[in-house]
Amino acid sequence: QKEVEQNSGPLSVPEGAIASLNCTYSDRGSQSFFWYRQYSGKSPELIMSIYSNGDKEDGRFTAQLNKASQYVSLLIRDSQPSDSATYLCAINRGGDSNYQLIWGAGTKLIIKP
Amino acid sequence: DGGITQSPKYLFRKEGQNVTLSCEQNLNHDAMYWYRQDPGQGLRLIYYSQIVNDFQKGDIAEGYSVSREKKESFPLTVTSAQKNPTAFYLCASSIGPGIQYGYTFGSGTRLTVV
Repeated sequence: QKEVEQNSGPLSVPEGAIASLNCTYSDRGSQSFFWYRQYSGKSPELIMSIYSNGDKEDGRFTAQLNKASQYVSLLIRDSQPSDSATYLCAINRGGDSNYQLIWGAGTKLIIKP
Repeated sequence: DGGITQSPKYLFRKEGQNVTLSCEQNLNHDAMYWYRQDPGQGLRLIYYSQIVNDFQKGDIAEGYSVSREKKESFPLTVTSAQKNPTAFYLCASSIGPGIQYGYTFGSGTRLTVV
C-alpha cells in the first residue's frame, strides 16, 4: 500500500461545476496536508494547506480533512478551464520525518468548456 | 523577489558524461530538496539537506551526488552511473522543520540524454 494514494484520473468536469479531488494516506500520525497544482511542463505550486479536521476555504478552493478516516480532499467550485492541471497531494508525518513531504502521484483534472 | 532559481532550463547529456544542475534560493530557507519526475509520474526524492554541510539520500540517490557548501545553493550532479537520467528535475526548499511548512519549487530542469 502506498503511503499517499490518489486516483490518477483523468477526472473530467464541466466548466462551472464542482471538481472533487481525493487523497488517502496510511500513516495515522500524519500532521499536515498540502495540495499542489502542476500545469503540464511546469513545477508544482502550493494552493492549499490544512492541519486540523474540518474544512478550510480559500476563494474557490476548499480543503477537507478527516483524520479518523485518513483522507483529505480538495473541492474546486465554479471550475474554470484554467483549473485543468495535475493536482498533487502531499503529507508531512511530523516527528523525525518532519523535513519531508510524502507525495501522491497526482490526479489529472480536465475542465471541459 | 525571493524565490528559487534553477538552471539551465534544458540540458542535454551525452552518454558517459557528468552534468551539474544548479539550484539557488534567496528565501533564507534551511532545507533544500531535489526531486525527479518522469512523465505521468509523481515526485521521487533524490537528496535533501536540512542544514549547510549536511545532506541525506532520498529514495533514488544512486547515480546522483550533491553538495551544500552554502545555505543558498544545492547543486545536483547527475553522474555517468545514472543509466536513465532523462527526466524533469525539481529543486525545492522549505523554511525548516515543522509540520506547517510546505515547499517552494524552482521552475525545473529538463534533462535529456542524446
